[in-house]
Amino acid sequence: KQEVTQIPAALSVPEGENLVLNCSFTDSAIYNLQWFRQDPGKGLTSLLLIQSSQREQTSGRLNASLDKSSGRSTLYIAASQPGDSATYLCAGAGSYQLTFGKGTKLSVIP
Amino acid sequence: GAVVSQHPSWVICKSGTSVKIECRSLDFQATTMFWYRQFPKQSLMLMATSNEGSKATYEQGVEKDKFLINHASLTLSTLTVTSAHPEDSSFYICSASGRGGQTNEKLFFGSGTQLSVL
Repeated sequence: KQEVTQIPAALSVPEGENLVLNCSFTDSAIYNLQWFRQDPGKGLTSLLLIQSSQREQTSGRLNASLDKSSGRSTLYIAASQPGDSATYLCAGAGSYQLTFGKGTKLSVIP
Repeated sequence: GAVVSQHPSWVICKSGTSVKIECRSLDFQATTMFWYRQFPKQSLMLMATSNEGSKATYEQGVEKDKFLINHASLTLSTLTVTSAHPEDSSFYICSASGRGGQTNEKLFFGSGTQLSVL
């Protein structure tokens, strides 16, 4: 059974800092690894999807990496902004199911 | 990107009543829809998977008679929480896929429904 862990559970940084969010998974037989953003009381926004054959994906200030052998993924956010404050979730994809971590709550202080 | 509309955004109901949550795909045909539940500070947990025109597949521990899922068309799936109780209070969110539920593409999520049962 896949288990996904995210560390840290919460993170507070001053505006402008670069930061890294960590995600680990127990079953390396994933189809892909996805990162989502969740704003309070709202749904999820898909940020990045890394296929199992890929090592990283980039979108704007976001860069996500995937290392299947070690069961880890990282989300790098460059030049953080207050608008980046949200909970970030990673999810490992099996053939028909996503397994989510509990998320990292990010607060970017102006 | 594809749009998934979910409503209501929040609902408060009395214990023992039933609540229906709708999830619509606005610009694509959703052959598969997923229903998740999220308790505070917990992970999103898959409740059930529904394919258009067939019965939903429920995850272990989810009561199918309590959480009724209907996916009668390619653009609409509903989740009905029957005889709701305070322990059913949670954030419910749907997601839709247009390719048979395969996860080799991004899933698109509704905005979620916060259910509070008094």
